[in-house]
Amino acid sequence: EAQVTQNPRYLITVTGKKLTVTCSQNMNHEYMSWYRQDPGLGLRQIYYSMNVEVTDKGDVPEGYKVSRKEKRNFPLILESPSPNQTSLYFCASSLSGGRGETQYFGPGTRLLVL
Amino acid sequence: AQSVAQPEDQVNVAEGNPLTVKCTYSVSGNPYLFWYVQYPNRGLQFLLKYITGDNLVKGSYGFEAEFNKSQTSFHLKKPSALVSDSALYFCAGRDAFSGGYNKLIFGAGTRLAVHP
Repeated sequence: EAQVTQNPRYLITVTGKKLTVTCSQNMNHEYMSWYRQDPGLGLRQIYYSMNVEVTDKGDVPEGYKVSRKEKRNFPLILESPSPNQTSLYFCASSLSGGRGETQYFGPGTRLLVL
Repeated sequence: AQSVAQPEDQVNVAEGNPLTVKCTYSVSGNPYLFWYVQYPNRGLQFLLKYITGDNLVKGSYGFEAEFNKSQTSFHLKKPSALVSDSALYFCAGRDAFSGGYNKLIFGAGTRLAVHP
């Protein structure tokens, strides 16, 4: 089944403790992206990647890092999480990043930073 | 700046009645517009999109949306609502030519509640 997977689905952590949220897709998509969803704000893009070793900032990149060492994986790294990063995070992918392409979303990771 | 607005936080509809979830956009040039649905504890699922062509777009689960360039709107509609349609709906879009590759601008979301 074609899908985007994320792990963990739920995570509670404390301020300053580094964490990684994994994202993997099995559709051989070149484009991958991370969004955060906050009430009343919709989804906002954090980072995106056009292909292996090619990443760039989205609208809200502060406090996050990403890497793209393999085509299928696009982990999101929070080096020193803070409470304002408490949010629902979604990974998404599309075929090549073309502007009209449909993006496919993972199930989401709900993060609470205490 | 590009923006997508969903003017209603919540829409309440009786089962069997038609439903409309509103979306307006502000982008330069020709827009690409999408509707996604989020069920509880699930990711976003693609419903439909407008790229070009016919202003009436048909999508999954009996949903359709009408692109109206003069009113800069892309309202989501369904002729007969089901209780199972209750979910959070997101409108998203971008313009056809600027950078940022496939970055979408999302509306804040509209919660649809269909009552038996």
